[in-house]
Amino acid sequence: DADVTQTPRNRITKTGKRIMLECSQTKGHDRMYWYRQDPGLGLRLIYYSFDVKDINKGEISDGYSVSRQAQAKFSLSLESAIPNQTALYFCATSDSHPGLAFFGQGTRLTVV
Amino acid sequence: AQSVTQLDSHVSVSEGTPVLLRCNYSSSYSPSLFWYVQHPNKGLQLLLKYTSAATLVKGINGFEAEFKKSETSFHLTKPSAHMSDAAEYFCVVSGQAAGNKLTFGGGTRVLVKP
Repeated sequence: DADVTQTPRNRITKTGKRIMLECSQTKGHDRMYWYRQDPGLGLRLIYYSFDVKDINKGEISDGYSVSRQAQAKFSLSLESAIPNQTALYFCATSDSHPGLAFFGQGTRLTVV
Repeated sequence: AQSVTQLDSHVSVSEGTPVLLRCNYSSSYSPSLFWYVQHPNKGLQLLLKYTSAATLVKGINGFEAEFKKSETSFHLTKPSAHMSDAAEYFCVVSGQAAGNKLTFGGGTRVLVKP
């Protein structure tokens, strides 16, 4: 089993719909992150959490929300999806420095 | 503010020849630098890291990178490319001034020809 599991792997949704992306990890790490990847832009940080009670906005949090249900689970929600949220989304975990991260396989989200 | 520029969006090499992926960074303080690899339909995997120790850093799968402060560069090299090296590579910078948050380069896609 993968250390960091994202579900779903692929999703197509309509503009205006609410959608949740889920992430679970078996690494036992306290720190979890959500990134989005767009071609030519690398990855950009949406939200991060250092423990269950600590959630922080990243550089592109507008239009997104998160929930840290447990140490091992961190979900990302799009309250009202719009087409420019079409992207590849990655969840990651780390024990200490965010650069030493383990990534999930990604969720490809298409908003039509 | 910190930033990363990967100078080539695509690199094509023949199997068995050297690979060079170029990365320049900007950071207010002594940065930490990383290279990640992303194979098709996979998540990112850490190749190597520089955190102010030796300037020549060895990573997995025969890759290495050299930190050159005077040139603000952290280029990734491999002496002999293998077909399995075909992937996208990301250079990443992190600095204390930015709360250790990561800034990713735009990525370099490597094609390996037989």
